[in-house]
Amino acid sequence: GAVVSQHPSWVICKSGTSVKIECRSLDFQATTMFWYRQFPKQSLMLMATSNEGSKATYEQGVEKDKFLINHASLTLSTLTVTSAHPEDSSFYICSAWGVRGAFFGQGTRLTVV
Amino acid sequence: KQEVTQIPAALSVPEGENLVLNCSFTDSAIYNLQWFRQDPGKGLTSLLLIQSSQREQTSGRLNASLDKSSGRSTLYIAASQPGDSATYLCAVPSGGGADGLTFGKGTHLIIQP
Repeated sequence: GAVVSQHPSWVICKSGTSVKIECRSLDFQATTMFWYRQFPKQSLMLMATSNEGSKATYEQGVEKDKFLINHASLTLSTLTVTSAHPEDSSFYICSAWGVRGAFFGQGTRLTVV
Repeated sequence: KQEVTQIPAALSVPEGENLVLNCSFTDSAIYNLQWFRQDPGKGLTSLLLIQSSQREQTSGRLNASLDKSSGRSTLYIAASQPGDSATYLCAVPSGGGADGLTFGKGTHLIIQP
């Protein structure tokens, strides 16, 4: 159990455009999901906590207007990178807590050109 | 603020050897610790979850121990195989509740055939 699915697995976009990443809990309901970012050869850094039916909580230094999070249902959270720039290129990955710990999606490799 | 350190940063050993990966954390007030595996460009696979009341967990050739008072955990891999090559990450909850995780930078493991 506790399968988390993320889509797309990779995306290339032009600078200035917006990209939406979806995170779904497939076999359980998640009132809270988490979004992380990982730069090359670095570890995962928590960006924000996505709360179903309420506003997301952002970590210090993460721009909430740049990284829009919507958690409209108990099985879906979305992260939209608005007006993307090359420095936003990174690996984005979502997570949710299951009974046996935290489970992660497959990740999304975002490249902004 | 919780900080997680993993030693060594990289390790290369011949197939068949037993090995130990180390993880330390600064705030011992954790309620669990989790070990993950990450293959290049992929998401995270949960390996073992140790609750704060436990001292160790075992899954196949993997054994993880937890010494909460000293802020340390080890991941023991027995009879290593080339398929074990990956980056191993240690993570603890960032706060006292159902928070996101704080990760170490990982140990990049290479098992030589």
